[in-house]
Amino acid sequence: QKEVEQDPGPLSVPEGAIVSLNCTYSNSAFQYFMWYRQYSRKGPELLMYTYSSGNKEDGRFTAQVDKSSKYISLFIRDSQPSDSATYLCAMRGNNFNKFYFGSGTKLNVKP
Amino acid sequence: DSGVTQTPKHLITATGQRVTLRCSPRSGDLSVYWYQQSLDQGLQFLIQYYNGEERAKGNILERFSAQQFPDLHSELNLSSLELGDSALYFCASSAPGLGSREQYFGPGTRLTVT
Repeated sequence: QKEVEQDPGPLSVPEGAIVSLNCTYSNSAFQYFMWYRQYSRKGPELLMYTYSSGNKEDGRFTAQVDKSSKYISLFIRDSQPSDSATYLCAMRGNNFNKFYFGSGTKLNVKP
Repeated sequence: DSGVTQTPKHLITATGQRVTLRCSPRSGDLSVYWYQQSLDQGLQFLIQYYNGEERAKGNILERFSAQQFPDLHSELNLSSLELGDSALYFCASSAPGLGSREQYFGPGTRLTVT
């Protein structure tokens, strides 16, 4: 069983839609939760970083962590064609010895 | 441009060979991380160095090794290469302290083993 499960998509939405991306995990020791965006042929870039449970908002992006359900989400409001990319969730414990990524969800926002 | 540089961009080699990938972190960053991204395994954390010392180890094979030099650049050595080692190898760096949450990824080295 994988440490982190993420639906690979692809997910295709019209411009302006609200996008919901999700990951589930099994290790209750994970405390730090991240979302990365990766454009084709580029390195990942950090979008959101959350410690423990709760919500965090940054512009059009909202990250949610529910540790009781071992479930994390990323919401993108008013999606734009420039949001078309692969979105990777990631999580770890206190250090990087157990640092795992989801398989990534490919998002396509149509103009 | 993240400020992290990686060389070479592409590398084609044969099974059984050994290669070295190089990474220069952003100015001021003390931590360097290495990752492998392949179609079947996804993005996997390999190893972290902080100011010259190994700090954390992920799914790094025994055939792979890394080091960070006094000038903070890092090298990832891959030996006895197998077809399955073909992947994109990313290096990332982060600042010390609270800034370590933000990792800046380089453009990657694409390794093809034939």
